[in-house]
Parts: sequence; structure tokens; C-alpha cells
Amino acid sequence: GAGVSQTPSNKVTEKGKYVELRCDPISGHTALYWYRQSLGQGPEFLIYFQGTGAADDSGLPNDRFFAVRPEGSVSTLKIQRTERGDSAVYLCASSLTSSPGQGNEQFFGPGTRLTVL
Amino acid sequence: DQQVKQNSPSLSVQEGRISILNCDYTNSMFDYFLWYKKYPAEGPTFLISISSIKDKNEDGRFTVFLNKSAKHLSLHIVPSQPGDSAVYFCAAKKDTGNQFYFGTGTSLTVIP
Repeated sequence: GAGVSQTPSNKVTEKGKYVELRCDPISGHTALYWYRQSLGQGPEFLIYFQGTGAADDSGLPNDRFFAVRPEGSVSTLKIQRTERGDSAVYLCASSLTSSPGQGNEQFFGPGTRLTVL
Repeated sequence: DQQVKQNSPSLSVQEGRISILNCDYTNSMFDYFLWYKKYPAEGPTFLISISSIKDKNEDGRFTVFLNKSAKHLSLHIVPSQPGDSAVYFCAAKKDTGNQFYFGTGTSLTVIP
């Protein structure tokens, strides 16, 4: 498809385990974003990539969270030693550019619902 | 600290009438604002945006108004249609950086 895809759509894990969440952005989009959305809240920024580099990771809550985008396309969000509070929907978005104005609009994937038991 | 606020968690409107969704922000450095629409089990979908140099942007049935002095923006949908029923998120971005700040959303129900 032409949109942003995320896998898996659902992930259930046990406290303390390691998880990886994958995002395939729209082809040609240089900017990629990860968000976390808890119940009843809006998306909360985690990290932004411009190409292969993490241009802004100020939203990552702690060092258990890490994300990579080695070839400037697919990105993986990695969470170590998961905690129950990590349970949320993790959204990925991509945009054509990162400059303000036209082309900056972010296109979201359907999200990965993570449940930590 | 919630820098973008949507104080109405829900709104019900009759089909054909106007829907007005409101959003307030606290950070005067925000210079670009967007509205997203979200259906259940889907990611948010971009709807309309406005730059801080404008006070109005219109796209079909959707119009966004920006009042910078009040740090307030609103989304008008007219006429409202049942397919507009969704959660609407307001988002804002600073002139520097690429982080988008989202509100908590307003669930709109358009009654046929």
C-alpha cells in the first residue's frame, strides 16, 4: 500500500521483556516520527528522524526506549525491560519534508497497541 | 504540562448543522497548527492546517480560525455529515524544531 504501515498491530508481552515495533513510512518521505498515545490522551512525541539520524529524541521517556532508522526508510522502536506503564498505542508518522508549511503534514500509520502484563 | 488543550472531550451535532471544535494553546512560540481526524483503530489523518501568519484557512466544508492574541484556534465543519463522526485532534508546532504537540482530542458525533 501507499500509506504508513506498522507491525505488529497488537503486541502483548510480559513485564521485563524486550519488544520491537516496526514502521514502514511512505516511500520518499525523509522525516519519520514516533508517538505514544495513552488512553484518553493525544499522541505524545517520542522521537524524530531526518533521514538516518535521530534529529530530536527529547521525547523518549527514559533509556529503556531506543529507536533506529539505519537506511533512512524503515524504523524500529525498541523497548527494553518493559513496564506496565509502557502499555499504549505507539504511532509512527512520516512526512515529505520537515520544513514548515506544505509537505510538512504528517501521515500516520494505524499504530501498534502494546500491552504489558 | 499540556501545552495544547481541547477542553471539550465530546460534542454532538445534528446533521447539516455547524460543528465547532475548539483548541487553546499556551506556548507563544507555536507558529503552525493542524487538525487531525481519527477513526477507531486507525491512525490520525491530516485534515487542515494554518500558519500563524494567517487567521483563517478554508478547505471545502472545513475552516480553521486562528486567534493569536487569545492563543485559540477553532475548526468549523459546515454542513456536518454523519461521516464526520470521529475524534479530532488539534496539534501545534514551534517555529524551531519538529516536535508536534497534540491536544487530548474531541469526540464529534454527528446525528443523522
